Amino acid sequence: DTAVSQTPKYLVTQMGNDKSIKCEQNLGHDTMYWYKQDSKKFLKIMFSYNNKELIINETVPNRFSPKSPDKAHLNLHINSLELGDSAVYFCASSQEWSLYNEQFFGPGTRLTVL
Amino acid sequence: AQSVTQLDSQVPVFEEAPVELRCNYSSSVSVYLFWYVQYPNQGLQLLLKYLSGSTLVKGINGFEAEFNKSQTSFHLRKPSVHISDTAEYFCAVSEGNFNKFYFGSGTKLNVKP
Repeated sequence: DTAVSQTPKYLVTQMGNDKSIKCEQNLGHDTMYWYKQDSKKFLKIMFSYNNKELIINETVPNRFSPKSPDKAHLNLHINSLELGDSAVYFCASSQEWSLYNEQFFGPGTRLTVL
Repeated sequence: AQSVTQLDSQVPVFEEAPVELRCNYSSSVSVYLFWYVQYPNQGLQLLLKYLSGSTLVKGINGFEAEFNKSQTSFHLRKPSVHISDTAEYFCAVSEGNFNKFYFGSGTKLNVKP
């Protein structure tokens, strides 16, 4: 069983569209994260939720909106997609809210905006 | 300001040779330190972490790292690498008090036969 899963794995879309990426973890963890990895492999944290509550909200355009319907799911919705949004987006989870806990990563979603 | 620097973007090495991947950080507060590995087309997985105590930390797959507070470094080492170690390695730093978590830019380890 996959611990942290993301769908879709690949997403190709036109500029201006709205798209969502879904993430689910079956580890029973309380905390989930979204990261963006750019073409140079640089990873940056975007959001973190603990028990459905927003904990970290880095400087991210408000076109990006995370939604956590329950603590096993953290979806990422992106409005009005731009070329610069092209990247690999990783979801991750950790057992509890603490930045010294191990984070378990999903396989990533490669988003290409044309 | 917090930053994590991985000095080498790529490290080529022959199989069975030793390797060291360098990581330096800047912070004025206590930090937690991590190394993650990313195999091609996969997510990241934890190799090892330093929270407190012994400055030499052993991780999975024969890797180890040493925390050096005076040099603000956390270099990753392996005495003998395998082809299967070919991957991207990320150093990460957490400032727990400030809810901040930063990754370095990654080092691509390329192990040649």
